[in-house]
Amino acid sequence: DAKTTQPTSMDCAEGRAANLPCNHSTISGNEYVYWYRQIHSQGPQYIIHGLKNNETNEMASLIITEDRKSSTLILPHATLRDTAVYYCIVTSTGTASKLTFGTGTRLQVTL
Amino acid sequence: SAVISQKPSRDICQRGTSLTIQCQVDSQVTMMFWYRQQPGQSLTLIATANQGSEATYESGFVIDKFPISRPNLTFSTLTVSNMSPEDSSIYLCSVEGGLGSPGNIQYFGAGTRLSVL
Repeated sequence: DAKTTQPTSMDCAEGRAANLPCNHSTISGNEYVYWYRQIHSQGPQYIIHGLKNNETNEMASLIITEDRKSSTLILPHATLRDTAVYYCIVTSTGTASKLTFGTGTRLQVTL
Repeated sequence: SAVISQKPSRDICQRGTSLTIQCQVDSQVTMMFWYRQQPGQSLTLIATANQGSEATYESGFVIDKFPISRPNLTFSTLTVSNMSPEDSSIYLCSVEGGLGSPGNIQYFGAGTRLSVL
C-alpha cells in the first residue's frame, strides 16, 4: 500500500470548513483513498473513500487531485464533536483489505 | 453499518496471566480483524481472523502470544497470553463485508483497554 503524509495537527473554528490534506504520491492505479477518524476513547469511524472522482456524503467531501497524488477531506461546517484524529489511508480493495494506519492529523475544533 | 460489541471494555491484569477478548457482531460478516493501539500510538493490525481456519498474523505477531478463534461469521476472540506490562494497550476488533454494508469498509468496536501490572 502507498505511504501517506499528513500534517500532525490542525485547528479549526466551529462552524468553519475544515480542510485536511493528505499526500500519497506513490499511489497506484488500483488503490483507493480512505478516510477514517478516531474520536478520543472510541474505535475508528469510517468517513468516506474514493478512487479518482470527488465524493460527497452526509459527513464530508473528498477532493482527489487529477494526478491522484494528493487529496483533501473537507468537513463543511465543523463542530466540537468533530475533534478527533483523522487518518488518510491508501489501500487496494481486495478481499482482505488491510488498513495501515499512519499517525494521522489531530484536528482540534474550537469555539 | 454493523454493530460490534467487545467484551470486556477494560481490564486490569497481573503479569503472567492471560485475557480473552470477545468480539460479537450483529450480522454475519466476511472479514474480522484484530488491531492493537499502544498508548499514544496509531493502530497496528495484529491478524485477520479466518472463519474455520487459522488466523493470518502480521509480521511481529505470533499465534502463541495472540491466539485467535473465529467459530462462526459473527464472533471472534483474541487472547493475550502470558501478559507483561508492554501488552498494555487498547485492542480493537473490526469487521468488513456485512449484510447491507458497502463492501470494503471496516467498522470498529469500541475497543478493550488493557492495563497489565
